[in-house]
Amino acid sequence: AQSVTQLDSHVSVSEGTPVLLRCNYSSSYSPSLFWYVQHPNKGLQLLLKYTSAATLVKGINGFEAEFKKSETSFHLTKPSAHMSDAAEYFCVVTGPLYNFNKFYFGSGTKLNVKP
Amino acid sequence: DAGVTQSPTHLIKTRGQQVTLRCSPKSGHDTVSWYQQALGQGPQFIFQYYEEEERQRGNFPDRFSGHQFPNYSSELNVNALLLGDSALYLCASSLVTYEQYFGPGTRLTVT
Repeated sequence: AQSVTQLDSHVSVSEGTPVLLRCNYSSSYSPSLFWYVQHPNKGLQLLLKYTSAATLVKGINGFEAEFKKSETSFHLTKPSAHMSDAAEYFCVVTGPLYNFNKFYFGSGTKLNVKP
Repeated sequence: DAGVTQSPTHLIKTRGQQVTLRCSPKSGHDTVSWYQQALGQGPQFIFQYYEEEERQRGNFPDRFSGHQFPNYSSELNVNALLLGDSALYLCASSLVTYEQYFGPGTRLTVT
C-alpha cells in the first residue's frame, strides 16, 4: 500500500526567504515521487520527479527536493521565495515507473508569499 | 505542441443524470489517467487506460467508467450522478507510466 502525508496544509513565507514544504510517504516497494504545483484555476504542473536515480532532484523555477529513504521523506525546498510561487503544491507517490501503478496525491500545501 | 485538452470546461447536471467528459492526450502520449479533485482536496485517482484497456483503478464505484480510443483520446462516464460527484475532473497523459501531464480539468456541478 502507498500513501502520502503533507505535513502542513498552509505555509506562509516572506518574499526572498526560504521555502520548505514537507512530505512523508509510505510505500511497500521502491517509490517514484513527484511534486506538482497548481495555481488558481489552472491545471497541475510538474515541478520535479524522483525515480531512483540521484537523491537530490532539481526541478523548475529553482525548486529542489531530497529523497531520504531512512526518513521516508521527500521535502520540497527553494532558497528564495518569489511572489509568483504562491500556489498549492502536491506531493505524489507511485510505484516503479515501468509498472502500471496508481498515483497517490497528498492533500496539498497552500503556499502564501508575503511581500 | 498542444498539451492535454479537456472538454467541456464546465458542466452542470442534475442528480441521477449521466455525464461524459472528454480528454485528448499530449502528442506522443499513449496512456491516460483520470482524477477527481473535490474542493480543498488533492486529486484522487479514478483509473488509467493504456492500449484501450483499463490498467489500474482507484477506489471508485462502477458508476465511473471509461474508454480509450485508438487515437489515445479518452472519455470518462459517470452514471446516476450524486451531489458528491461535484468536483474538478482532471485528465493526465503520459508515455506509458512516466511523469503525467495534466489538462486544465472539467468542473462538474451536480444540483
